[in-house]
Amino acid sequence: DAMVIQNPRYQVTQFGKPVTLSCSQTLNHNVMYWYQQKSSQAPKLLFHYYDKDFNNEADTPDNFQSRRPNTSFCFLDIRSPGLGDAAMYLCATSGDRGRFYGYTFGSGTRLTVV
Amino acid sequence: GESVGLHLPTLSVQEGDNSIINCAYSNSASDYFIWYKQESGKGPQFIIDIRSNMDKRQGQRVTVLLNKTVKHLSLQIAATQPGDSAVYFCAHGAGNKLTFGGGTRVLVKP
Repeated sequence: DAMVIQNPRYQVTQFGKPVTLSCSQTLNHNVMYWYQQKSSQAPKLLFHYYDKDFNNEADTPDNFQSRRPNTSFCFLDIRSPGLGDAAMYLCATSGDRGRFYGYTFGSGTRLTVV
Repeated sequence: GESVGLHLPTLSVQEGDNSIINCAYSNSASDYFIWYKQESGKGPQFIIDIRSNMDKRQGQRVTVLLNKTVKHLSLQIAATQPGDSAVYFCAHGAGNKLTFGGGTRVLVKP
């Protein structure tokens, strides 16, 4: 029944080594989001795709990039992970039929940087 | 900029009692509000939502109240159960972006 699927659930990467997190959805939602959530904090929006249009948040570091090759998949690329990038990364989707609806989150990928 | 915040970081409640979690927001243009429940190591789970043209909405054991005059949102959980122990976030949707508040941890005492 999983509708927003994130892989892997846990990811360990070395300091400075590029890492990619993936997200897929079966909802056919046209909007996909990436959030960063650090311990005991609220999720913080990094960027989102409206269909193929990429929308970056002003305070998202250049170290974070994203790709959306098709409706179902979206990737988060961290080019040179630092210790401060250790966090839970959440993917979410929503639909748009004139008004946004159905925000749905995946279970997240917990990233550890060593 | 817009912000959504919570008044109480931790709420301890006796099993069977009602819980009330509060949230303030600052963007008067906000039109969509969601309450999420997040358990340890999991993603946010949708509880209930409300649009700005409503002031109350009820679900199963949960009620959301929206006061647009004072920009205040609350979540009421009836007959709180041990499984309700989690962190609760309010979130505000404007356009196609969702902004989260700081979260309230609810601890249910047996």
